[in-house]
Formats: sequence, C-alpha cells, structure tokens
Amino acid sequence: GNSVTQMEGPVTLSEEAFLTINCTYTATGYPSLFWYVQYPGEGLQLLLKATKADDKGSNKGFEATYRKETTSFHLEKGSVQVSDSAVYFCALSDTGNNNAGNMLTFGGGTRLMVKP
Amino acid sequence: DSGVTQTPKHLITATGQRVTLRCSPRSGDLSVYWYQQSLDQGLQFLIQYYNGEERAKGNILERFSAQQFPDLHSELNLSSLELGDSALYFCASSTDHNTEAFFGQGTRLTVV
Repeated sequence: GNSVTQMEGPVTLSEEAFLTINCTYTATGYPSLFWYVQYPGEGLQLLLKATKADDKGSNKGFEATYRKETTSFHLEKGSVQVSDSAVYFCALSDTGNNNAGNMLTFGGGTRLMVKP
Repeated sequence: DSGVTQTPKHLITATGQRVTLRCSPRSGDLSVYWYQQSLDQGLQFLIQYYNGEERAKGNILERFSAQQFPDLHSELNLSSLELGDSALYFCASSTDHNTEAFFGQGTRLTVV
C-alpha cells in the first residue's frame, strides 16, 4: 500500500534560517505529491504540489522537487519567518489508480516553530 | 477561505450517542472526501463520494457512514460514539477525482 514518512518535529528555527523538512514515500502507482500546511485552529491548505518525476512545486518561497529515484519530496525554504510557524504535512495521491479515487495518504506532520 | 464549509465547528457529546457532521463543497465540485485527524492515528482518509455515489473507502469504522445528496452536500454520521472517536473531522472537495482537494476548517468532535 501507499505510505508517507516525514521527519518528526518539532523543528525550531530562528527567523531567516534555512528550512528543510524531509519526506519520503512508498507508492504502487504514479503518485502526485503535495505539501499541505495547517495553521493553528485552521484547516489544511495546499502549499505546493508536483505531479510527475523531476517536477518542482513552489509557493510563498517554499519549494519541493519530486525525486523518483530517491522516492522523496523534501520541503525547503531559504529564509523562514515567524508567520511560517505551522504544521506541515506531506501527502501523496495515487492518481494513476482510478479505483483509488483521489484519496490522499498523509505523513504524520511536522510542527515548525520559528522564533524571532 | 477554501470555499468548503463544515458545520458545526465544535461538537461535544456523550459516549453511545450519534452525531451528524455536515459539509458543503466548493461550488461546482463533485467529489467530497472525509478525513479524520487524531493524535494517535494522524490524518486518515475515511471515505469519498463522487456525484452522489461512493467512490473510495478508507479506514472507516462500521459505526460510521456517509452520504452525498443531490445538491452535492455531504453528511458523515457517527454512531455508538466512543471516547476514541474524539478527533478533528475534515471534509475536502475537488472538481473530480483527479484534481487537488480543498479542505474545510474541520469539525472538532469531543466525546465525553
């Protein structure tokens, strides 16, 4: 079956530090990969996505590259801000399997805390 | 604002009771998904409906059921509630089964 593994948190950084949150996956088909962010008390928001190998998703200064050879989709940001403090979820959708609908398989989430 | 509306935002009920959670998808979205977020299980897919029909099923308990109505809103019914059912329940919607999903703000269920 499909699974997503991401680094456990919390990750605590100072403002303007470099961020990496590791994510690796296992999938039987041809997954699309996503990063979602959950701010305190809110729902999940799509941060970025990549639908095929070597695609790079980017948004709000965050980037992640779909690496099929290492089955990874690590999230990076060059300079974090206090407002980036949230929980980040890596997820996959096995869109190549029509019987699976578009269900998302999530990693366990990584809490990021950015200090001023 | 994702355009997905969930009601109620909070729900407190006793063990053994039954509750109904409601979701209104984004305008035009045919697919509705339900997820459960709990401390011990993380985010888990429960069930998906597409244009009124069940499309995919995840780790949904037999005590739980869902449906999607002709106006495309969906309800998740949880019965014989147990303490372990306390969680945040998210609804998401998408245009079809191959596009990204947008999430509501969730219903926080507390079973006491």
